[in-house]
Amino acid sequence: DTEVTQTPKHLVMGMTNKKSLKCEQHMGHRAMYWYKQKAKKPPELMFVYSYEKLSINESVPSRFSPECPNSSLLNLHLHALQPEDSALYLCASSQVGAPGDEKLFFGSGTQLSVL
Amino acid sequence: AQSVTQLGSHVSVSEGALVLLRCNYSSSVPPYLFWYVQYPNQGLQLLLKYTTGATLVKGINGFEAEFKKSETSFHLTKPSAHMSDAAEYFCAVSPNNAGNMLTFGGGTRLMVKP
Repeated sequence: DTEVTQTPKHLVMGMTNKKSLKCEQHMGHRAMYWYKQKAKKPPELMFVYSYEKLSINESVPSRFSPECPNSSLLNLHLHALQPEDSALYLCASSQVGAPGDEKLFFGSGTQLSVL
Repeated sequence: AQSVTQLGSHVSVSEGALVLLRCNYSSSVPPYLFWYVQYPNQGLQLLLKYTTGATLVKGINGFEAEFKKSETSFHLTKPSAHMSDAAEYFCAVSPNNAGNMLTFGGGTRLMVKP
């Protein structure tokens, strides 16, 4: 199994809603990532978890709250989002090893629209 | 700090023609360089990477890239384009002492004409 599975594929939410994005992998990877990709732009790193601990937070607003409940799952909790948060949210995973050994496996993303 | 610049946000080639996608990097330390491909409504897939060793790197789907330190370049090539190569291509860099900290270029959309 070399897949990273993200659900839902599409999500429409209002600015007062609370929703969660989910990501799952069964490759034994101990590093997991959230990226945000605006239309026609490159992905931008949001969060990195290593061994289920948050290791990198790229100054992301607190309305985005990541969670890594176990080594296979990664969630992104959303609350009070703004329309400019509409984007494709990509999850990725990789081994934790020597620099250069890493290979990121990406999910297909959740296309989020905030109304 | 590391960065990559992709020259040309759109490249159009005819089927069977040479594909050349340009990437130049800026890095204060020896970089690790990557090319990723993104098909519509999909995540990113690694095509190839350069870490150390041989400067000509072969990847999947017939793509290859050459690391040229003197030119700070890592251009992606394929001898003969196929319709299925139409996608968005991202060059990325990470410092060799910081693991998976990828910084992506702006992307190049490759269009293949029949």
